[in-house]
Amino acid sequence: KQEVTQIPAALSVPEGENLVLNCSFTDSAIYNLQWFRQDPGKGLTSLLLIQSSQREQTSGRLNASLDKSSGRSTLYIAASQPGDSATYLCAPRVAGRRALTFGSGTRLQVQP
Amino acid sequence: AAGVIQSPRHLIKEKRETATLKCYPIPRHDTVYWYQQGPGQDPQFLISFYEKMQSDKGSIPDRFSAQQFSDYHSELNMSSLELGDSALYFCASSLQGVAGELFFGEGSRLTVL
Repeated sequence: KQEVTQIPAALSVPEGENLVLNCSFTDSAIYNLQWFRQDPGKGLTSLLLIQSSQREQTSGRLNASLDKSSGRSTLYIAASQPGDSATYLCAPRVAGRRALTFGSGTRLQVQP
Repeated sequence: AAGVIQSPRHLIKEKRETATLKCYPIPRHDTVYWYQQGPGQDPQFLISFYEKMQSDKGSIPDRFSAQQFSDYHSELNMSSLELGDSALYFCASSLQGVAGELFFGEGSRLTVL
């Protein structure tokens, strides 16, 4: 069974800092991995999708890397803003299954 | 752009009652997923449908059932509701099978009293 761990569980930083959010997963046989953000009581917003053949994906201030063989993905957030405050979830898709398996998330608070 | 539509957005039920949640996927998406998120928990996969056939099953209780209809909308039926069923229920859809990006709806919040 795929186990997904996200570190740190919570993070509070001043505005403007560059951030690193880590995700590790136990089963490296994945099709792809998706990063989401979730605001309290709201739905999940897709940020980036990385296919297993890719090393990284970028969208604006966000960059996600994937090291499939070691079971790790990292989300970089450049020049953080208060609007980035949310919970960030990573979710790999294990080979043979269509569904994503979610980690417990990193709760980010960016102070103005 | 069209998103995943879920209804109702909020639902309050008594114990042992029945509830039905509806999901309208993004047009032309071929896969629908249902997830349950309890308070302070990460989303847990319940069940998915690919081209109207059940494709994957997660931790869905026997009291729950789901189906996808000919117009691709999906319904999650929950019977004999328990207090522990209180949660946010998300529907998501994707295209291109296992390679596709999942897009989630805003969720249906079920409260069981």
